[in-house]
Amino acid sequence: GQSLEQPSEVTAVEGAIVQINCTYQTSGFYGLSWYQQHDGGAPTFLSYNALDGLEETGRFSSFLSRSDSYGYLLLQELQMKDSASYFCAVEGGATNKLIFGTGTLLAVQP
Amino acid sequence: GAGVSQSPSNKVTEKGKDVELRCDPISGHTALYWYRQSLGQGLEFLIYFQGNSAPDKSGLPSDRFSAERTGGSVSTLTIQRTQQEDSAVYLCASSLRYGYTFGSGTRLTVV
Repeated sequence: GQSLEQPSEVTAVEGAIVQINCTYQTSGFYGLSWYQQHDGGAPTFLSYNALDGLEETGRFSSFLSRSDSYGYLLLQELQMKDSASYFCAVEGGATNKLIFGTGTLLAVQP
Repeated sequence: GAGVSQSPSNKVTEKGKDVELRCDPISGHTALYWYRQSLGQGLEFLIYFQGNSAPDKSGLPSDRFSAERTGGSVSTLTIQRTQQEDSAVYLCASSLRYGYTFGSGTRLTVV
C-alpha cells in the first residue's frame, strides 16, 4: 500500500523560513504533491515533483529525493496568511491513485 | 465550469437514511476523486475514476458506500443506511494530470 509521514505541527515566526518534511512508502511511484488547506476551506494545489530536485514557485519550493523516498516543502518569508495545514500526497500503486499524508499544521506567529 | 462544484454543501440526515452527494468536475478533466475528511483529520481516500478505466474502489469503507461517474463527467457518491460515523466532509477533486482542484465539499451530519 501507500503511506506517508509528516510532522503534525510546526511553529514559526513571520518572515522566517520553515521546512516541512515528508517521507513516503509506495510501489510504482509517479509523483509527490503538496497541498495547502486553510481552516474550513478546500485543499489547494501548491506543487508537484516527479523527478529529483528542487521546484520553486514564488515563496514556496518543493524538493524530492526518490532514492530516499523523501521530500520537503520550503516556505520562505513567512506571512500570517501562511498559517494553514499542509499535506504531502503521493501518486503510486497499481492505479496511480493519490494518497494524502495526515497533514502538518503550520502556525505563523508575529 | 470554472471549478469543481459539489452539492449539497450541507446535509443533515437521520441515521439509517440514504444520501446522495454530487460532484461536477471541471470540464475535460479525466481524473476524479472522492475523499472524506473528519474534523481536524487528513484526507481519507474513497474512490478514484480515471477516464474509461475501471474505478479504484479500494478506499470505500463498507458496502454501504458506492459511487458512479456518468459520461466521464458528473459523479455521485451514495451512502446507504447512514451511520453516525459517516459524519464528515466529503470532498471531490478533479484533474487532467496532476494538481487536483477540489470542490468546497459536502458537510454530512448524521443524527
